[in-house]
Formats: sequence, structure tokens, C-alpha cells
Amino acid sequence: GAVVSQHPSWVICKSGTSVKIECRSLDFQATTMFWYRQFPKQSLMLMATSNEGSKATYEQGVEKDKFLINHASLTLSTLTVTSAHPEDSSFYICSALFTGEFTQYFGPGTRLTVL
Amino acid sequence: AQRVTQPEKLLSVFKGAPVELKCNYSYSGSPELFWYVQYSRQRLQLLLRHISRESIKGFTADLNKGETSFHLKKPFAQEEDSAMYYCALRRDSSYKLIFGSGTRLLVRP
Repeated sequence: GAVVSQHPSWVICKSGTSVKIECRSLDFQATTMFWYRQFPKQSLMLMATSNEGSKATYEQGVEKDKFLINHASLTLSTLTVTSAHPEDSSFYICSALFTGEFTQYFGPGTRLTVL
Repeated sequence: AQRVTQPEKLLSVFKGAPVELKCNYSYSGSPELFWYVQYSRQRLQLLLRHISRESIKGFTADLNKGETSFHLKKPFAQEEDSAMYYCALRRDSSYKLIFGSGTRLLVRP
């Protein structure tokens, strides 16, 4: 099956700093990737859709200036959490749309802890 | 409004017992539904999708448009089936997914 990786798998940062999370499709090209947030013992909440070569589209209530998304190539999307605060601490998961099956394949997630 | 409801947070069964994880949806168009599974410390994996009508690891799910349900079933649960199960609805033509809140399945020996 299609494989999606995320880096880093976990990160701890100080309040006020920015953190970048990478999402890569390893064996297929993905023009569309998605970024989710998952709170403990809760479901996945879609934050934004990342489109290669164009601006990301954000879900209602998600601050685009806070969560910067760049999809510069067909295999890489990045999520940058700017000026992170403790309330941004969460599990961030990306997925890539494998158009051959019209199915999303998920990365392993990145745990962000903001001190 | 588009919504996916999984009424059970936890479902505990004994090994060999039948399992049914409930999923109901609300969607005005023609739905496309999925079941994803997340084993402990692993990523979310696609288990099955209704349009392929396949059985994966002994699990099946039938779309019931009249009851707006897509329940996941397995006749004989195994301990390795213990995991978090999410029902998801594809939202419009963008391939976005709406996830239910998830059901934790615990299969006891």
C-alpha cells in the first residue's frame, strides 16, 4: 500500500517559537494532502487541505496565519505552527490522497508539546 | 448537516464472540463511507470502504441507506482486533473525510 511519513514524530518547544512538521508521500505523488488534529481520546478534526502548487484551504475556525501550510512538491507538504502556545499542544496527523484508489493514506502523526 | 455518529465509546467482548460496531451518518447526497482502524501506537489504516464491498480481516460492513447506517461486523472476534475504530464519510467531491468519534474495541481472552 501507499506509505506516508511524518517528521518529526514528536517535538517539544518553548512557547512563542515556531515548529515545522513535514509530511511526505514515499511511493506515490499526491497533489492533495490533508492535515488533522487529534486531541487525547478524541477523533480527528480536519484542519486544512493542502494543494500542490496552490494555497491551502482551511476549515472554519482554523487560523491560517497560525498554521501555515506549504505544498511545494508532489510528495511534500509542511505544516508550520507559528508562535506556538501550550494550547497548540496536540497530535497532528497528515494524510495524502492516493488518486489511484481515491483513498487517503495516513502518516503516523507528530506529537507537539509546547511548554 | 453532514455528520457521522458512533454511539459507543467502548465495546468489550470476549474472544470468539460476534462484534458489531455501530455507525450512523447524516448526508444529503450519495454517501461514500469508510472504516478506519488504529491499532495501539500505529497509524490510522483503511479497513474497508463500502463501494468495494470486500471483507478485510473478517470484517464486513453494509451500507443501509434506509437506516443511514454503516455498521462494522465480524462473526468471531480475535484478541488482535482490539483497536480504535473510526467510521468516516467522504464529504463532497473534495475527498475530505468526516470522522466519527471512534469506538474502542476490546477483545478479552
